[in-house]
Amino acid sequence: DSGVTQTPKHLITATGQRVTLRCSPRSGDLSVYWYQQSLDQGLQFLIQYYNGEERAKGNILERFSAQQFPDLHSELNLSSLELGDSALYFCASSVGTAGELFFGEGSRLTVL
Amino acid sequence: AQRVTQPEKLLSVFKGAPVELKCNYSYSGSPELFWYVQYSRQRLQLLLRHISRESIKGFTADLNKGETSFHLKKPFAQEEDSAMYYCAATGTGGGNKLTFGTGTQLKVEL
Repeated sequence: DSGVTQTPKHLITATGQRVTLRCSPRSGDLSVYWYQQSLDQGLQFLIQYYNGEERAKGNILERFSAQQFPDLHSELNLSSLELGDSALYFCASSVGTAGELFFGEGSRLTVL
Repeated sequence: AQRVTQPEKLLSVFKGAPVELKCNYSYSGSPELFWYVQYSRQRLQLLLRHISRESIKGFTADLNKGETSFHLKKPFAQEEDSAMYYCAATGTGGGNKLTFGTGTQLKVEL
């Protein structure tokens, strides 16, 4: 599958812990985006990277950080986890800095 | 603040009936508007964008700047149209920060 891949698909952890979500973009795509979808909420934009550089930032908490590596995969780090961080985290990619986004299947994080 | 509003969480129609999924936006400047769709057990994917002005799977959406709306329409609903539909908007000026609405679940009944 040459689409956007996200790992892990499911993750259960405890409050106060730290987790890392990983995303591999489609082949050839330079931009990576992270979105959070909580219960009864739409997709909330967190952050965008383009070719390794941060390009746009949304309402990303200070406890969260992300980066895009030279091979263009991205990681979203979530630390000091709280119950409210339980959500579906989506990664998407696009060729450039605009246009159609291609989404992964999401990583479901449950914080107990 | 930039905002996309989809007032209906769930829309249920009968097969063959017209469909209209509502979307209103609050944006400065001239945003680009999109509809994304998520079918059962599939990924979120682009359905259409206002700049392309095309009909996809029988769906159309017209940008009404006066009413700041971008409603999605289809004259005759099909069972395979049942899905979650998200309206989204992105501003101009660098980056590609797509702001999504909360989504409308469309259920087409036989």
